[in-house]
Amino acid sequence: AQSVTQPDIHITVSEGASLELRCNYSYGATPYLFWYVQSPGQGLQLLLKYFSGDTLVQGIKGFEAEFKRSQSSFNLRKPSVHWSDAAEYFCAVDTGNQFYFGTGTSLTVIP
Amino acid sequence: NAGVTQTPKFQVLKTGQSMTLQCAQDMNHEYMSWYRQDPGMGLRLIHYSVGAGITDQGEVPNGYNVSRSTTEDFPLRLLSAAPSQTSVYFCASTFDRRAGKLFFGSGTQLSVL
Repeated sequence: AQSVTQPDIHITVSEGASLELRCNYSYGATPYLFWYVQSPGQGLQLLLKYFSGDTLVQGIKGFEAEFKRSQSSFNLRKPSVHWSDAAEYFCAVDTGNQFYFGTGTSLTVIP
Repeated sequence: NAGVTQTPKFQVLKTGQSMTLQCAQDMNHEYMSWYRQDPGMGLRLIHYSVGAGITDQGEVPNGYNVSRSTTEDFPLRLLSAAPSQTSVYFCASTFDRRAGKLFFGSGTQLSVL
């Protein structure tokens, strides 16, 4: 069965520190991969996506993600976190039939 | 463009009551979908539609019904509400699902007592 795993339920980082949010997927082929961000009380906003080609993709708000086929991972990174990055982050995969979301990682940013 | 409009924003039901959550989009998107969001569970797909007259089940379809008579509207019906359906519901649409840019509504917070 297809699945998306985000092993970190909650992460706390200091403002200015680097960030890495983990995402692993289970799927026979390479799916389309996405990261979304959800601010409190809001819907989801697309940060970035990977379809094929360069395995390091750049997104909005200074985020990037790296696809590693050997590890079935698509981790999200940011070199320097801002207080406004505090939100819930969701990894998602599109297998061609359905669009699956991970359980999310809640990010707290300490001033 | 209004984007994806969901109504109501909040709703409280008693067990056994029925109701319809409304979702409308004005972007001529063929693909529309309903998700429920529960703490620690992420977003789970309830039903989706790839065009008017076409609907299909997602991960958690039981207890929900949908129809797609027009491109613009995709209502979600709870036929007999249960406390397990207490959740936040999101409608999402896109022109091309594989482009990944799902447009989300602002959500409906539903409580079933």
